[in-house]
Amino acid sequence: NAGVTQTPKFQVLKTGQSMTLQCAQDMNHNSMYWYRQDPGMGLRLIYYSASEGTTDKGEVPNGYNVSRLNKREFSLRLESAAPSQTSVYFCASSRTESPLGNTIYFGEGSWLTVV
Amino acid sequence: GENVEQHPSTLSVQEGDSAVIKCTYSDSASNYFPWYKQELGKRPQLIIDIRSNVGEKKDQRIAVTLNKTAKHFSLHITETQPEDSAVYFCAASYSSNTGKLIFGQGTTLQVKP
Repeated sequence: NAGVTQTPKFQVLKTGQSMTLQCAQDMNHNSMYWYRQDPGMGLRLIYYSASEGTTDKGEVPNGYNVSRLNKREFSLRLESAAPSQTSVYFCASSRTESPLGNTIYFGEGSWLTVV
Repeated sequence: GENVEQHPSTLSVQEGDSAVIKCTYSDSASNYFPWYKQELGKRPQLIIDIRSNVGEKKDQRIAVTLNKTAKHFSLHITETQPEDSAVYFCAASYSSNTGKLIFGQGTTLQVKP
C-alpha cells in the first residue's frame, strides 16, 4: 500500500516547455487534489477532482490543466511553463468530498524548477 | 474570498516549554479544521483535526481549540521535544460541503534542546 505516488520527484524545465506531473493513489479514494507550495504562502489548491469524471478549479488554476484519468490517477499539465511556476507540487487524495473527519493524504511532492 | 491567517510565522521554544500557534478564518461556513506537520523535505501529514461542533480536542501532547464566534482556532503543543521541530500548517474547509482546504501560511517551530 504505497498511498499517494507522484512522479517525477525533480524536474527542470525551460520557459515555454510543457510537462505532465503524474499522480496515482491506491487507497480507493474518490477525491484527488493538486496543491503547490511556495515559501511563506502555505499550500494553495490548483485543481481538484471530487470524484471520477469531475474536475474543478481551485485558488490558482491559471497555467495548468488536469485530467482525472480514472479513479486512481489525476495528472497535472503545464502547457507552457513559466518561471512563476517554479514550486513544489503536491498531489493529495481523500476518501470522499465531505470534509468532516476526512483526512487528506499527500504524496511526497514534486520539485519543479522553470528556468 | 476565503482566507486563513496563521501566526506566528516562526516560533522558537526551549525543550519542555509549550508552543501555541493561532489561525483565523474568514468563511463562517467552514466546519472542518485540520492541522498538518511538515518536516523538512517531506510531505505534510495530519496531526490533529477538529470539527465545528467541538470546542476542544486533545491527543497526548497536542490539543486544538476552536472559537466559532471569533472564527479562530489554535494548536497547543505541551512539553515540546526536538522532534516537534517542523513547519505546522492550519487549514479550514472551503465551505460546509467540500473537502477542499485552504491553508494558512505556515509556522516554523524550532525546539531547542
